Amino acid sequence: DTGVSQDPRHKITKRGQNVTFRCDPISEHNRLYWYRQTLGQGPEFLTYFQNEAQLEKSRLLSDRFSAERPKGSFSTLEIQRTEQGDSAMYLCASSSTGTGGFTEAFFGQGTRLTVV
Amino acid sequence: AQSVAQPEDQVNVAEGNPLTVKCTYSVSGNPYLFWYVQYPNRGLQFLLKYITGDNLVKGSYGFEAEFNKSQTSFHLKKPSALVSDSALYFCAVRDPAGGSYIPTFGRGTSLIVHP
Repeated sequence: DTGVSQDPRHKITKRGQNVTFRCDPISEHNRLYWYRQTLGQGPEFLTYFQNEAQLEKSRLLSDRFSAERPKGSFSTLEIQRTEQGDSAMYLCASSSTGTGGFTEAFFGQGTRLTVV
Repeated sequence: AQSVAQPEDQVNVAEGNPLTVKCTYSVSGNPYLFWYVQYPNRGLQFLLKYITGDNLVKGSYGFEAEFNKSQTSFHLKKPSALVSDSALYFCAVRDPAGGSYIPTFGRGTSLIVHP
């Protein structure tokens, strides 16, 4: 399968615990995005990487959230001291520069986080 | 700043009838526009995009969308709906002139196709 892969698909954690999610983008894609989606809402942008550089971060991304993309390949999103409000679907997407500078983003299946 | 609006939370249509899911956008320059579909507990699947050229773009599963610059709209259409088209549909916009590489998504429209 050559699509975007996310792991785990589901995560239940107790409030206050740390969690880490992994995203493996499509191999030739240099751009990687993290979004968060809650019920009844569209995806909300969290952060963006071009290769290994984190170029944009949303104001939604509090200091409890950190993301990395070492060597410009897979990415991890860590949430420290989880809160119930962090419960959501976390989506990863990737895209390539393509002709004209941009192609569409392809999404993974998402990681559903439930904080109890 | 770029933004997108999907004015309908839900669209109901009978199988075999044409469907339209509405999207309007706001950007400072010429937009890149996208439609995605999401099935329950799944990620978003790309349907089609408008970057430049012909205002009518065709995509996956028989869907098409028409870019209308004067009305700042990019409505999704299909001539004959199927029950299997029932899903969440998201419109997204990116404003290249704004300097960001980040697509902004609408809240989504739930399409329900009745047998």
